[in-house]
Amino acid sequence: DAGITQSPRHKVTETGTPVTLRCHQTENHRYMYWYRQDPGHGLRLIHYSYGVKDTDKGEVSDGYSVSRSKTEDFLLTLESATSSQTSVYFCAISRELQGNTEAFFGQGTRLTVV
Amino acid sequence: GENVEQHPSTLSVQEGDSAVIKCTYSDSASNYFPWYKQELGKGPQLIIDIRSNVGEKKDQRIAVTLNKTAKHFSLHITETQPEDSAVYFCAARHRGTASKLTFGTGTRLQVTL
Repeated sequence: DAGITQSPRHKVTETGTPVTLRCHQTENHRYMYWYRQDPGHGLRLIHYSYGVKDTDKGEVSDGYSVSRSKTEDFLLTLESATSSQTSVYFCAISRELQGNTEAFFGQGTRLTVV
Repeated sequence: GENVEQHPSTLSVQEGDSAVIKCTYSDSASNYFPWYKQELGKGPQLIIDIRSNVGEKKDQRIAVTLNKTAKHFSLHITETQPEDSAVYFCAARHRGTASKLTFGTGTRLQVTL
């Protein structure tokens, strides 16, 4: 599992409330990513980080913000949750393996916005 | 940006038969193509990958082929077993893009007895 822990694993929240998802890694990897998974869309990149306080947008970043104040933690925040943000969210890291860079995923957080 | 298309969306095979999943990509600058297997309630797990300087790669019952000219790559699973039943995703990574992956929409593989 590349030492990735996502929390919470499940959350139900009301429309308009703020929500923060946490990704914690134990292997000191530089790159971390947040993806969302929806039927018919595969996984789509929301935001990614290439170091402490260094983040950038992915293809579906609207309505989301991220922060990375420590190497091991990458937080995803929905400032005001909407029903369209009901999804399964996956955190990932890139790991150097035999000279190649490969991505490994956490177990996911299922978020329901009602 | 990169666009990855994956077919079929569902695939049912009998145990022992082979399964083939195909993907196409749009950006000729992509140079890394991983395949992920996702079981119910779990995160995607990397099962095999191929880089643009290689045409084929095998790992036991799994193989991946890449045709750079046609911009397509395929996953081949031989002698399928019930535990191969899962959703499979292909992905592509553009050279120099901080390892960001663009995923296909997934193939649900069902291996029947």
